[in-house]
Amino acid sequence: QKEVEQDPGPLSVPEGAIVSLNCTYSNSAFQYFMWYRQYSRKGPELLMYTYSSGNKEDGRFTAQVDKSSKYISLFIRDSQPSDSATYLCAMKGSSNTGKLIFGQGTTLQVKP
Amino acid sequence: DAGVIQSPRHEVTEMGQEVTLRCKPISGHDYLFWYRQTMMRGLELLIYFNNNVPIDDSGMPEDRFSAKMPNASFSTLKIQPSEPRDSAVYFCASSLYGGALNSDTQYFGPGTRLTVL
Repeated sequence: QKEVEQDPGPLSVPEGAIVSLNCTYSNSAFQYFMWYRQYSRKGPELLMYTYSSGNKEDGRFTAQVDKSSKYISLFIRDSQPSDSATYLCAMKGSSNTGKLIFGQGTTLQVKP
Repeated sequence: DAGVIQSPRHEVTEMGQEVTLRCKPISGHDYLFWYRQTMMRGLELLIYFNNNVPIDDSGMPEDRFSAKMPNASFSTLKIQPSEPRDSAVYFCASSLYGGALNSDTQYFGPGTRLTVL
């Protein structure tokens, strides 16, 4: 079993829809949780960063962490065609390590 | 800053040949990471360096893979001999901090798409 599980999709939604992307993980030592966005034929770029449990909002994006369930989510409100990309969750433990564990990524298509 | 620079962007080679991928991290970043991305396995960390020293190479698949960082502005990932199952996109990333601070963002390069025939 992988440390981080993420449904690869693809997920197709109409423009304006609310999108929910999710990851589950097995390692209770994970403390830092990230979402990266990757456009086709580009490298991933950091979208959201959350420490421990709780919510974090940035514009149309909200990241949620539920450590008791080992479950993290990314919500996109009023989705736009420009949001079409692959979204990867990533996480790491509390020690001073650069090592991130990535989910497989979910491919999202927002149709106009 | 130009960001993380990788070369070549595309590489097509035949099985058994040596392949060398190159990376120039963002100036001033102390950490450099090599990743491999495939449809089947997703994004996997191969190795990372701190101040040019390899810290964790547990993700390097086998002895055919080697990585070096001779100075703060250059790193190579070498595959010798290459095999068809090595076909993937290889990313280099760099960060200012490796994990000491919350916001140690990893900045990724555009990747090298490797095809081994």
